Amino acid sequence: ELKVEQNPLFLSMQEGKNYTIYCNYSTTSDRLYWYRQDPGKSLESLFVLLSNGAVKQEGRLMASLDTKARLSTLHITAAVHDLSATYFCAGPGTSYGKLTFGQGTILTVHP
Amino acid sequence: DAGVTQSPTHLIKTRGQQVTLRCSPKSGHDTVSWYQQALGQGPQFIFQYYEEEERQRGNFPDRFSGHQFPNYSSELNVNALLLGDSALYLCASSVIQGSTDTQYFGPGTRLTVL
Repeated sequence: ELKVEQNPLFLSMQEGKNYTIYCNYSTTSDRLYWYRQDPGKSLESLFVLLSNGAVKQEGRLMASLDTKARLSTLHITAAVHDLSATYFCAGPGTSYGKLTFGQGTILTVHP
Repeated sequence: DAGVTQSPTHLIKTRGQQVTLRCSPKSGHDTVSWYQQALGQGPQFIFQYYEEEERQRGNFPDRFSGHQFPNYSSELNVNALLLGDSALYLCASSVIQGSTDTQYFGPGTRLTVL
């Protein structure tokens, strides 16, 4: 059964700084998803990474996937307050349709 | 284009009662998945419906059951409610497009069991 671990679980950043959230997973997964959740809200799809070496960028966020290392990263460049949220990675493993989520990383960006 | 919708938004029940939550998928989507998200946790997969049948199920007891209708909308039923069932219940819809099947989440139903 797929297990997904994120670190750090809590991240306090200053505006303008860079940081990376790491997502490790335990078994083969041919795709990896990143979601954002604002307090009291639902999940917003950010990225889907479909193959080894995949890299996707949207604004100040960039996600990558290394299937050999079973690792995905979410890199934040020049953080701004609007990026404050909880970020989840999730994978289907070998189980089509069922997503297993990490614990989430609570990101707080301070002025 | 309407996204995933869920009803009701909030619900308060007492232990032992039964509850039904509803979900309408995004236009063009035929697959509906249900997740339970406890406070401070990641969503946990309950089950998935496709073509009106349960295709996959997570580690949830039989008190949790569901249904999918011909128009692809879905219901989640929980019987004999326990305090531990208090959570945000999220519905997600998807469709296979090429090699991706990104799940799009609805706003959720916040269930409180007293």
